[in-house]
Amino acid sequence: DTEVTQTPKHLVMGMTNKKSLKCEQHMGHRAMYWYKQKAKKPPELMFVYSYEKLSINESVPSRFSPECPNSSLLNLHLHALQPEDSALYLCASSQGGGAGVSETQYFGPGTRLLVL
Amino acid sequence: GDSVTQMEGPVTLSEEAFLTINCTYTATGYPSLFWYVQYPGEGLQLLLKATKADDKGSNKGFEATYRKETTSFHLEKGSVQVSDSAVYFCALNTGANSKLTFGKGITLSVRP
Repeated sequence: DTEVTQTPKHLVMGMTNKKSLKCEQHMGHRAMYWYKQKAKKPPELMFVYSYEKLSINESVPSRFSPECPNSSLLNLHLHALQPEDSALYLCASSQGGGAGVSETQYFGPGTRLLVL
Repeated sequence: GDSVTQMEGPVTLSEEAFLTINCTYTATGYPSLFWYVQYPGEGLQLLLKATKADDKGSNKGFEATYRKETTSFHLEKGSVQVSDSAVYFCALNTGANSKLTFGKGITLSVRP
């Protein structure tokens, strides 16, 4: 089973709201990722957690705050977002710590976020 | 730096037509290569992969062969179906910084 689940599926929020996206995997994977995908574009890497520690932050604005409470769960906390942050947010996981050349990333279905 | 180049789209085919989607790459070292598919309104699904030269990845009738001499990983299917309509992304992983490098993606539409 290579399932990554994400909730909610859709989210609408105002610019002053605080919300969180959730991602879970039960495959024993030790690396988890957040991506942002705009329409008709490839995903852009935001954050990588390796063995529950933040290993990569791709210069993401501080209004996005990731959290990895345990090896199966990844959250993305959202605060004071801008309309241009509207996008599909994808979570992914891979088996090792993320640095292996042959590691395969498995993606969740995404959360479609609209910021008004 | 690493990069993936996909042929320009969109591509429209009739059902049962032969499909080729070109993908070439530039990378340091010996990357692994992937094809991901994204159906409308969904996340990315791994379609197939190859981890070394001359490996052939295959799944659901799709195939791609890792060609080191031409730095290519072209996706092929002998007979496409309407259900294959989706966006296809070619990607590579060199193991550096956990990053997948994606191509721009190409939209495939298959008409009945």
